[in-house]
Amino acid sequence: DTGVSQDPRHKITKRGQNVTFRCDPISEHNRLYWYRQTLGQGPEFLTYFQNEAQLEKSRLLSDRFSAERPKGSFSTLEIQRTEQGDSAMYLCATFLDRASYTDTQYFGPGTRLTVL
Amino acid sequence: QQPVQSPQAVILREGEDAVINCSSSKALYSVHWYRQKHGEAPVFLMILLKGGEQKGHEKISASFNEKKQQSSLYLTASQLSYSGTYFCGTESTSYDKVIFGPGTSLSVIP
Repeated sequence: DTGVSQDPRHKITKRGQNVTFRCDPISEHNRLYWYRQTLGQGPEFLTYFQNEAQLEKSRLLSDRFSAERPKGSFSTLEIQRTEQGDSAMYLCATFLDRASYTDTQYFGPGTRLTVL
Repeated sequence: QQPVQSPQAVILREGEDAVINCSSSKALYSVHWYRQKHGEAPVFLMILLKGGEQKGHEKISASFNEKKQQSSLYLTASQLSYSGTYFCGTESTSYDKVIFGPGTSLSVIP
């Protein structure tokens, strides 16, 4: 257990439905990343936050994906009108930025999404 | 741009050594190394920053050659617990996103 939690751990949904995932970071970690990983591939960057500011969103991400991090605490990732190609493991990772001389990045356990 | 990793896969006997390489076509600020076991999330091993450095973590160490935009992960006297997929992640600048390589599958057999 890294201290980063994700909920739910598994989600099965039908194509066209909306889903929302939550990530709770280690409390003092100010950087938060969302990644997507499919079998046999490395984690693919989706978006990241520095506190509550969303600094970048992958150009590969369609407008169906949105993420928030209100007050710089937990974060949510929403996928609207899910498609079968969205089936993957969604990983959250948090980081205490390097200015504090702590350089460990922790991944949560992930949310496995299956779109039927 | 995704970093390149080599080899794609390696099989070792317990006690043998291995080297996993990571290279990028872009100038790098940092290189991160992770190990992921099947069905689990990646686990952070170490980060190396611009300036060229080496780090060690038990019997696992790494080097970062900033000029060549390359990093290598060294596993010595491998143990069964080292099995998994190793990913490098790179940042081009500070406060940038981390881009992961495709991974190197490492299997340690008795």
